[in-house]
Amino acid sequence: ETGVTQSPTHLIKTRGQQVTLRCSSQSGHNTVSWYQQALGQGPQFIFQYYREEENGRGNFPPRFSGLQFPNYSSELNVNALELDDSALYLCASSLEADYEQYFGPGTRLTVT
Amino acid sequence: GESVGLHLPTLSVQEGDNSIINCAYSNSASDYFIWYKQESGKGPQFIIDIRSNMDKRQGQRVTVLLNKTVKHLSLQIAATQPGDSAVYFCAEKTRDDKIIFGKGTRLHILP
Repeated sequence: ETGVTQSPTHLIKTRGQQVTLRCSSQSGHNTVSWYQQALGQGPQFIFQYYREEENGRGNFPPRFSGLQFPNYSSELNVNALELDDSALYLCASSLEADYEQYFGPGTRLTVT
Repeated sequence: GESVGLHLPTLSVQEGDNSIINCAYSNSASDYFIWYKQESGKGPQFIIDIRSNMDKRQGQRVTVLLNKTVKHLSLQIAATQPGDSAVYFCAEKTRDDKIIFGKGTRLHILP
């Protein structure tokens, strides 16, 4: 196990609702990256947080937002959920922004 | 554009044989490549990486080969074991530290 934890494990939401996913980084890691993994696909980079600041963003709309807290844990928020948002959401932490990333087990989000 | 893809979505290998998983990439500016293993219900796990100034790197039972001329990456697993069953992703790290994943290859181990 990597020491990266995510909650909840599974979540079911209705289209139009909002969701918050949480990630606790490995001890000593100051960087958290979030990925969306659709079924049968590779993870797609959403954004990265380094020392509480956004440090890069992928091709996701503004309704995907995030936070990183002083203890380096992180949240991913998605507003106005769409059916296509159904996916496994992964977070990964690293010692520094350019170091090896350690992935958590993910949160499975289903939007109906 | 930036993209990483794989030639085969599924690979079946006899237990004990060697496995070779291939990957093509299109971003010639990438200078760092990574192979990940993802087991069911888990996040991707780092296996091995290689920098663009190398053409081969070996780990424990795994070897990564990089051919920059044809933009091709491969992962070789020696003496494949049942525990190697998983989806394998190649990925490239961009210069601003973003990781771009391919679609993955599922490796089946035959008894």
